[in-house]
Amino acid sequence: GAVVSQHPSWVICKSGTSVKIECRSLDFQATTMFWYRQFPKQSLMLMATSNEGSKATYEQGVEKDKFLINHASLTLSTLTVTSAHPEDSSFYICSAGRDLLYNEQFFGPGTRLTVL
Amino acid sequence: GENVEQHPSTLSVQEGDSAVIKCTYSDSASNYFPWYKQELGKGPQLIIDIRSNVGEKKDQRIAVTLNKTAKHFSLHITETQPEDSAVYFCAASTTGRRALTFGSGTRLQVQP
Repeated sequence: GAVVSQHPSWVICKSGTSVKIECRSLDFQATTMFWYRQFPKQSLMLMATSNEGSKATYEQGVEKDKFLINHASLTLSTLTVTSAHPEDSSFYICSAGRDLLYNEQFFGPGTRLTVL
Repeated sequence: GENVEQHPSTLSVQEGDSAVIKCTYSDSASNYFPWYKQELGKGPQLIIDIRSNVGEKKDQRIAVTLNKTAKHFSLHITETQPEDSAVYFCAASTTGRRALTFGSGTRLQVQP
């Protein structure tokens, strides 16, 4: 149990285009999903917390108009990188939480975004 | 906010030896401490976690200890195998702020 999927696993796009990444919890309902970004040989940095049916909470320094997050159901959250630029190239990873008291989270396999 | 420090950044051991990775946290309200294993190009995989009401937890070759007074927790891997080679991350969170704060990671290399 506790499987989280992401799609696509990798994407290459041109500068200025938008890219949508999907995160799904396959066998449990996740009231909260999280989006992280990871640069090479670095740790995971939280971008935003996504709650089903409400607006996402963004971390300081993360542009909410550039990284659009939608959490339309208890099993799906999407991250859209708008007007992507080469500096947005990174490994984007989502996680889903299923425990309200303790923050047990399960991570997706990640999406490698390369912006040309 | 929470700050998690992790040491060492790299660790090389011989197959069969034990490996220990240590983390400290700053927020005394943190109550959940997971450890993740990340292989190259993949998402982190939860390998063990510990909650603040427990001092130690073991799962086969992996164990985690928590010292709330000193605000540190450690990952212990015994009888290491080459397939244990990966980057390991510790993390901490509170009930209020549900997001995880990660340590900087430890690259473990198990030499056959």
